[in-house]
Amino acid sequence: DGGITQSPKYLFRKEGQNVTLSCEQNLNHDAMYWYRQDPGQGLRLIYYSQIVNDFQKGDIAEGYSVSREKKESFPLTVTSAQKNPTAFYLCASSNRKGTGRGQPQHFGDGTRLSIL
Amino acid sequence: QQPVQSPQAVILREGEDAVINCSSSKALYSVHWYRQKHGEAPVFLMILLKGGEQKGHEKISASFNEKKQQSSLYLTASQLSYSGTYFCGTETYGNKLVFGAGTILRVKS
Repeated sequence: DGGITQSPKYLFRKEGQNVTLSCEQNLNHDAMYWYRQDPGQGLRLIYYSQIVNDFQKGDIAEGYSVSREKKESFPLTVTSAQKNPTAFYLCASSNRKGTGRGQPQHFGDGTRLSIL
Repeated sequence: QQPVQSPQAVILREGEDAVINCSSSKALYSVHWYRQKHGEAPVFLMILLKGGEQKGHEKISASFNEKKQQSSLYLTASQLSYSGTYFCGTETYGNKLVFGAGTILRVKS
């Protein structure tokens, strides 16, 4: 079955450490997204990519970095510059037919990141 | 800018109906609706496109008023499985979604 796989499910970060969250999809989708969700809040866009080797900053990109070297993969690195990284991180993908508009996003099961 | 959802929370008994509203200050290309159960990923419910096209769920309906930049999600004859947090996501002309803060729906037996 096609879907989005995020790993790990839980992750702990030490002070000054960079950590990388994995996101892999086998839906053959062109577009991929990273969101951050804080308790009781909506989803905020960190980065998104509409095509391989290209990505754009979302609303809260500071302290994060991404790469898109393969269509299937869109890893997110939470750097030491992100002072408040504790949150639920969700990866999503969507088809990009035509303009790419009006396409549903499919989400992975998320990664919970906490500070040690 | 984040769309505004109302109400923030609603409690229903099985079989009752509910309406969740989503309002934006920007011109919209589409409105997406998702449901998230606690600790799980959001699940796609419906998209409403400018021009009236809808894609989505058989048991849930929605409307999109393009002039008012508002959308409403209608849940009829609610079931226990409808419980969760409902998010609207608004799409303007930049190919990305901005999500509202969510509406918590609890259905009691």
